[in-house]
Amino acid sequence: NAGVTQTPKFQVLKTGQSMTLQCAQDMNHNSMYWYRQDPGMGLRLIYYSASEGTTDKGEVPNGYNVSRLNKREFSLRLESAAPSQTSVYFCASSETGFGGYTFGSGTRLTVV
Amino acid sequence: EDQVTQSPEALRLQEGESSSLNCSYTVSGLRGLFWYRQDPGKGPEFLFTLYSAGEEKEKERLKATLTKKESFLHITAPKPEDSATYLCAVQEPSGGYQKVTFGTGTKLQVIP
Repeated sequence: NAGVTQTPKFQVLKTGQSMTLQCAQDMNHNSMYWYRQDPGMGLRLIYYSASEGTTDKGEVPNGYNVSRLNKREFSLRLESAAPSQTSVYFCASSETGFGGYTFGSGTRLTVV
Repeated sequence: EDQVTQSPEALRLQEGESSSLNCSYTVSGLRGLFWYRQDPGKGPEFLFTLYSAGEEKEKERLKATLTKKESFLHITAPKPEDSATYLCAVQEPSGGYQKVTFGTGTKLQVIP
């Protein structure tokens, strides 16, 4: 039982490059989320998908786009990476949007 | 502004020395309060959900309690394997979305 799988685990980008972070869950959850975690700050929501076919902005969406490819997969795209996007990114899922989330193991992204 | 404040930021305990972590919150309408454990380099792991004042949940050496303004995570006779960062989060309705706000965590170190 894998839970929430994120790829890649580590990535270094140059300023202006683009990349897509992948996330897949095998728990048949309806809701999926992308968070970033920075030192001294709580987890901050970038985008979420309450159900397949819907996506909405969270607290810090600027510079990011998302795609809910199907019920299992939710990807996060950085179109033109900036040093301010250096962070650890976590994908999470929940069955209904209420209650606790299941998190992936994270992607550590460095933009130079 | 909604806030979740955790204290202390860091706590160092001797093995067997019981203590409590605090999570105070100010939200307009609490739907749930969550505790997570996060190990270095890993994603947060869900521990408990508390829904109403007076509620308590237990798991091994951990016990979570909730009042109208704060929650405590009591750690009884901790062991070195309890060392981790403990995150608190609160959920409240926000439009059509169940908004979740995370605290910055308490880093617990248990020394043998």
